[in-house]
Amino acid sequence: GEDVEQSLFLSVREGDSSVINCTYTDSSSTYLYWYKQEPGAGLQLLTYIFSNMDMKQDQRLTVLLNKKDKHLSLRIADTQTGDSAIYFCAESLGNTGKLIFGQGTTLQVKP
Amino acid sequence: NAGVTQTPKFRILKIGQSMTLQCTQDMNHNYMYWYRQDPGMGLKLIYYSVGAGITDKGEVPNGYNVSRSTTEDFPLRLELAAPSQTSVYFCASSHSGSAYEQYFGPGTRLTVT
Repeated sequence: GEDVEQSLFLSVREGDSSVINCTYTDSSSTYLYWYKQEPGAGLQLLTYIFSNMDMKQDQRLTVLLNKKDKHLSLRIADTQTGDSAIYFCAESLGNTGKLIFGQGTTLQVKP
Repeated sequence: NAGVTQTPKFRILKIGQSMTLQCTQDMNHNYMYWYRQDPGMGLKLIYYSVGAGITDKGEVPNGYNVSRSTTEDFPLRLELAAPSQTSVYFCASSHSGSAYEQYFGPGTRLTVT
């Protein structure tokens, strides 16, 4: 079945770049997403990439997609303490909006 | 425009009790979803609806029921609560099936003891 895998934890220093990685299994996914969850809150969509794209940049965020290896990454430039959160990778199935989520990567930003 | 609202925010249930988690959206979205998030895990889809009167199962529907009598409301019913249903429940909505438009509510934290 469909599966999305992420590393569980990443720690960086303020001002450094963060790279969060994700692998997925469903090659028919049309969109791939990155969500951010702050403590006690719901999920906030950060960015998404269409499956026929290799890269998408949005201010400090860069998404890279390697379809051959089914690998997605999120790079956060100049990481700030406010970026500390859990980041979820997700893939969509069909056109019903159904999402398969990874287990989340906790990003810790040290001052 | 309140977006997606959920009630209650917190609830403790005893084993075997029943309850309904409420979800309302004011964006006139057709698609609505219920997810559960277990500790340290991603979200798993329980049920979804593509419009009033239409619902379908997601990955983990057992122990739950839903209804969609209006566009705005998508309640989730737990019958005979079990400890395995201890989780945080998120409701979401989107205008279409394109998931990049999906908006999440703040969640309901449920404990079953």
